[in-house]
Amino acid sequence: DAGVIQSPRHEVTEMGQEVTLRCKPISGHDYLFWYRQTMMRGLELLIYFNNNVPIDDSGMPEDRFSAKMPNASFSTLKIQPSEPRDSAVYFCASSLSGQPQHFGDGTRLSIL
Amino acid sequence: AQKITQTQPGMFVQEKEAVTLDCTYDTSDPSYGLFWYKQPSSGEMIFLIYQGSYDQQNATEGRYSLNFQKARKSANLVISASQLGDSAMYFCAMREGRTGGFKTIFGAGTRLFVKA
Repeated sequence: DAGVIQSPRHEVTEMGQEVTLRCKPISGHDYLFWYRQTMMRGLELLIYFNNNVPIDDSGMPEDRFSAKMPNASFSTLKIQPSEPRDSAVYFCASSLSGQPQHFGDGTRLSIL
Repeated sequence: AQKITQTQPGMFVQEKEAVTLDCTYDTSDPSYGLFWYKQPSSGEMIFLIYQGSYDQQNATEGRYSLNFQKARKSANLVISASQLGDSAMYFCAMREGRTGGFKTIFGAGTRLFVKA
């Protein structure tokens, strides 16, 4: 069975550019989560969806960040404009209600 | 507010010995779940074990067991017969129940080093 698929695996871009991270959850999972991991702040929950609807976006750092889930099999996390402090590994995870989350391999983002 | 605390930034264990990684939590929700994840140096997050707040018995998965002490709000991970491949970062996480919207937070992690 395919796990959570994230793309790209690595992204290097210049400050000010728009960045779009993509995630395909495990088929049938009704929860989708976006996390950011840095050395300084650890693993932070940014936003999560239930049945494609955003439930809690209190972890989104600022208005430059936005996330969408247009259907059950696709979600995006967008940063516009990007800044060097956004450099991190971004994970997407999905789960069934009450079950463990399954993580994608992450996107390593570097903003120069 | 919910909170997860892992007080051991790093741990060393001799190969083939058992090791306990500490995790305490704080929540007012009576329904919650506790998880442990492993993150090797390659970066992926690997689910290890789960304990529900209403589960009567401690969870076990192969060499992993969760020492769940509800009154003390602790959920320590025990790894038996450590292997070199167990060297990794380990995260404890808690998810509150429906009243908490299934939001999950992670502890700061413990880095485990297994010595040959």
